[in-house]
Amino acid sequence: DTGVSQDPRHKITKRGQNVTFRCDPISEHNRLYWYRQTLGQGPEFLTYFQNEAQLEKSRLLSDRFSAERPKGSFSTLEIQRTEQGDSAMYLCASSSGQSVGKDGYTFGSGTRLTVV
Amino acid sequence: AQKITQTQPGMFVQEKEAVTLDCTYDTSDQSYGLFWYKQPSSGEMIFLIYQGSYDEQNATEGRYSLNFQKARKSANLVISASQLGDSAMYFCAMRGNAGGTSYGKLTFGQGTILTVHP
Repeated sequence: DTGVSQDPRHKITKRGQNVTFRCDPISEHNRLYWYRQTLGQGPEFLTYFQNEAQLEKSRLLSDRFSAERPKGSFSTLEIQRTEQGDSAMYLCASSSGQSVGKDGYTFGSGTRLTVV
Repeated sequence: AQKITQTQPGMFVQEKEAVTLDCTYDTSDQSYGLFWYKQPSSGEMIFLIYQGSYDEQNATEGRYSLNFQKARKSANLVISASQLGDSAMYFCAMRGNAGGTSYGKLTFGQGTILTVHP
């Protein structure tokens, strides 16, 4: 297992278009998190999955955002009708939930979205 | 609610010197964890060090140590013998009670940009 993979690494889209990002967590990790990071800021929590169940969504996740984790494996984050304010790095992280020490979380390299 | 405050937007240090990056936190949880991550310009979040709220000793990982002062709610990162490759953004983060409604999500500070000069 090579860690958490995110695809694509970069995405440029026109305002109003829909985009979808994918995250493949570490296979034995049952917890999956999405974060959004705007330039010069720390990541902000968006949503959390435990296996296939979406257990928490941040207020940041407007109606235009939807996330899924079918079968409790990979996850997708879709943004509909993108706006310039959606431009950010979208980070995915996974954990086993068994330990939250130094092995607790593994982050992907992120998807950088630019809305023009 | 949890909050992480990093008051140093940028720090400069001479190569081979030590540097301290500040972090204060606020939480009502009795059990929590504190993390430091390094984020180079490439964007990935690299785990550096972890301190549990019940750990009596300060955490150390190689050149990184965490100065944990629970009563003052501070968790400063100390990097010894700075290297040019340490230049990056550094984030302090907190995990609340993973068994509770926080679901183990992390709350991050705003980060400190560290620049190491030769």
